[in-house]
Amino acid sequence: EVQLVETGGGLIQPGGSLKLSCVVSGFPVSSNYMIWVRQAPGKGLEWVSIIYNDGTTHDADSVKGRFTISRDHSKNTLYLQMNSVRAEDTAVYYCARRGNWGCFDYWGQGTLVTVSS
Amino acid sequence: DIQMTQSPSSLSASVGDRVTITCRASQSITSYLSWYQQRPGKAPKLLIYSDSTLHSGVSSRFSGSGSGTDFTLTISSLQPEDFAVYYCQQSFSTPYTFGQGTKLLIK
Repeated sequence: EVQLVETGGGLIQPGGSLKLSCVVSGFPVSSNYMIWVRQAPGKGLEWVSIIYNDGTTHDADSVKGRFTISRDHSKNTLYLQMNSVRAEDTAVYYCARRGNWGCFDYWGQGTLVTVSS
Repeated sequence: DIQMTQSPSSLSASVGDRVTITCRASQSITSYLSWYQQRPGKAPKLLIYSDSTLHSGVSSRFSGSGSGTDFTLTISSLQPEDFAVYYCQQSFSTPYTFGQGTKLLIK
C-alpha cells in the first residue's frame, strides 16, 4: 500500500528555519519524481519544488534560494529544508509523487507550517 | 509561467445533476492536464490525468476532455460526496501551476 506521511510542521518565527519530512512506503523515492505543494489558509494550491530521479531539483521562484528539496534513499524519505521563512510561507505543505503525464498521483496528508512572531 | 484559469469559481448544483467545469491554459499544454478533488481538511485527490484518463479507483461519473488550451471536467450525476473543490493543473512545464479552484456547492 502506498503511503506518504509528512512531519515537521509547526510555529516558527520569521527568518527562522524548519525541515519537513515525508516518509514514503510503497515505492522508492529515489526512482521517482517527488514534489512539494503548499496551500495557504483558505487559498489554492501552489507547487513548491521537485526532485527528479537523477537528483536534480527545480524550485518555484517564490522559494528559490530559501528552500531546498532533498531525499534519503536509505530512509525512503523526502525532505524540504525551509530557511529564511516569511509570513507568506504559512501553509499546509503536502508531499506527492509525480506520476504519468506529470500528474500528482499520491499525496500525503499535509503538515501545517505557521510563520509568525 | 503558464496561467490556468478555471470557471466558474463556484457552482451550485443538486444531487443527480450533470455539471461541467472548464479550465483554460494561457498557452498550449498539449495533454498535460490533470484534475483534482479536495474535500475540506483533506489532501487533494487525483481524478483525471492526461486530460481524459481516469485515475485508478475513481468513479466513472468523472470524465475529462480537451487538449491544447481548453479543457473540461464533467461529473455526470452528482453524488453527495462530490461536493468539494476541484482544481486543474498543468504539468507541461515548470513552474507547475494550478487553476484557482471551483467550489461545488449543494443547492
